[in-house]
Order: sequence, then structure tokens, then C-alpha cells
Amino acid sequence: KNEVEQSPQNLTAQEGEFITINCSYSVGISALHWLQQHPGGGIVSLFMLSSGKKKHGRLIATINIQEKHSSLHITASHPRDSAVYICAVRSSEGVGSQGNLIFGKGTKLSVKP
Amino acid sequence: DTGVSQDPRHKITKRGQNVTFRCDPISEHNRLYWYRQTLGQGPEFLTYFQNEAQLEKSRLLSDRFSAERPKGSFSTLEIQRTEQGDSAMYLCASSLLPEGTDTQYFGPGTRLTVL
Repeated sequence: KNEVEQSPQNLTAQEGEFITINCSYSVGISALHWLQQHPGGGIVSLFMLSSGKKKHGRLIATINIQEKHSSLHITASHPRDSAVYICAVRSSEGVGSQGNLIFGKGTKLSVKP
Repeated sequence: DTGVSQDPRHKITKRGQNVTFRCDPISEHNRLYWYRQTLGQGPEFLTYFQNEAQLEKSRLLSDRFSAERPKGSFSTLEIQRTEQGDSAMYLCASSLLPEGTDTQYFGPGTRLTVL
């Protein structure tokens, strides 16, 4: 079982829809990252959070440390939001404790006009 | 462009050949990470440096892989005697301590194809 699980694996939405991507993890963490990867490989960091909620434009990320769960929400989705969204955690135990990230497999989002 | 750069962007090689990739992090970033990503999977950690010191290596990093960051700036990742299973995207990222600002900035990656 992967230490970081994302759902759904694939998501197709119509422009304007509210989108939620979920991430569950099984290790203790010091931080959780949400990343966006466009075709061709470029990865952009969207959020780093260790508690509560962060908002940037139409993107909202929440984390529940007790439940080991995080969500990424996109409001008023747009075709340019189409990308792979990756959840990654910095483990606070064992491998990964020094700062490297453990990644989920990603959620491929396609927003249709 | 002051982002993370990687060179080359694409590399095609024959099995058994050696390859070397370069990563130039954002200047003044003291941490540099190497990751590998295969199709349909998330990235996997390979190794990371703090300044010139290599602090951690994944079990994925066999003895055919070696990474250096000699002056604490750019880094190289060398794969010796490449195998078809080494075909992947190799990603580099950099970040700046302290802990609270450890957002990692990723380069565009080097896509390796081993024939």
C-alpha cells in the first residue's frame, strides 16, 4: 500500500464546476504539499501546509492532521486548470524525515469548455 | 530566467552507455533534490544535498547511480551502464531553509530513454 493515496485518479469536469481532489497518507508528517504538473513535466508548487487551510485565488487546500487527510479544491474550474495534481508529504519518521517528499501518483484533471 | 534549469531536456542512449545530467538550482538555494518519475506515477525520491553534502540516498539509487554537488551550486547525476528500466523523467528541485520556507521549486526535468 502506498504511503500517499490520491483520489480520484482521473477527473473530468465541465468548465465552471467545483472540483475536489483528495489525499490520504499513512505516515506522520511535518508538511504536506500540493503540486501541479503540466504535460511535458514541469511541476509547480501550489501549497505547502501543516495545518488548517490555505487559499490562493481559486484554489483552496485543507488538511486534517488527526484524520491524515487533505483536500484540494478548485472553484469555478477552467480548461487551463487541466493538469495532474500531485499530493506529497514530508514524513516526520524514518525515510523522508530529512526533507525529501513522498509523492502520491497524482490526479489527472481535464476541464472541458 | 532564475528558475531551476536542467540539461539536457531529452537524452536517448543505448543500453550499457553512461549518461550524465546537470541541474542548476535557484541561486542561494542550499537544498537540491533529485527525483525520478516513470509514466503514470508520481515522482520518487533519489537523493538530496544540503550545500555540497549529500545527506540522504534512496534505496532506489543503486551503485550505478552517483550524484555530486561539488561546490554547493549545480549538481550532476550520473548513471553508469544504463538499463532499459532507467528510462524515466529525472527531476531536480531546490529549496531554501529554514524549514518553514522549504517549498521545493522544480526544474523541467530530463527525459531519459534507454534503447
